[in-house]
Amino acid sequence: ILNVEQSPQSLHVQEGDSTNFTCSFPSSNFYALHWYRWETAKSPEALFVMTLNGDEKKKGRISATLNTKEGYSYLYIKGSQPEDSATYLCAFRNTGNQFYFGTGTSLTVIP
Amino acid sequence: IAGITQAPTSQILAAGRRMTLRCTQDMRHNAMYWYRQDLGLGLRLIHYSNTAGTTGKGEVPDGYSVSRANTDDFPLTLASAVPSQTSVYFCASSERTGSGYTFGSGTRLTVV
Repeated sequence: ILNVEQSPQSLHVQEGDSTNFTCSFPSSNFYALHWYRWETAKSPEALFVMTLNGDEKKKGRISATLNTKEGYSYLYIKGSQPEDSATYLCAFRNTGNQFYFGTGTSLTVIP
Repeated sequence: IAGITQAPTSQILAAGRRMTLRCTQDMRHNAMYWYRQDLGLGLRLIHYSNTAGTTGKGEVPDGYSVSRANTDDFPLTLASAVPSQTSVYFCASSERTGSGYTFGSGTRLTVV
């Protein structure tokens, strides 16, 4: 079983604060790294697909970076808002097109 | 239908009973997947199908079976449910194997 780890498991921040969390994955057989946003009682929603070392993606106040050599990706949220409260899930995709999901980082933004 | 539809949304099932979870997509995606989500364990792949007519085993296939008779439907069957199969089940699809997923809204199954 392949390990994809996310940290921290949960995070509480004040509205307006910026925050970031980590997804660690194996550096071998890398194909892509996917980020999903998962609100309670809804299904995961795709945020980013990252494929190249050094890749940086941005969507509004959310951005992500990728380091395939050392096996990590950071997700950043600038100026957190209550609507950003969700679980953020990463998934490592290997060259065999298999997906391995992390356990997620649960973010709560306090108004 | 827009995206993926799962049914039922929740179910309480007696141990030993047979149950089929339904999953239908209208995006003509080639690949479909069933995951279970358990607290602290993230999403674990049960079975997958890369294209209609083919299926494969994922990380936790025991006690489950699937079929893929056509592109749109990918039902998951529990032949004889056990309490350890209590979980939230997510169906997902992707345009092709390995591309980004679209998820269904999940089925919460409790086996008692």
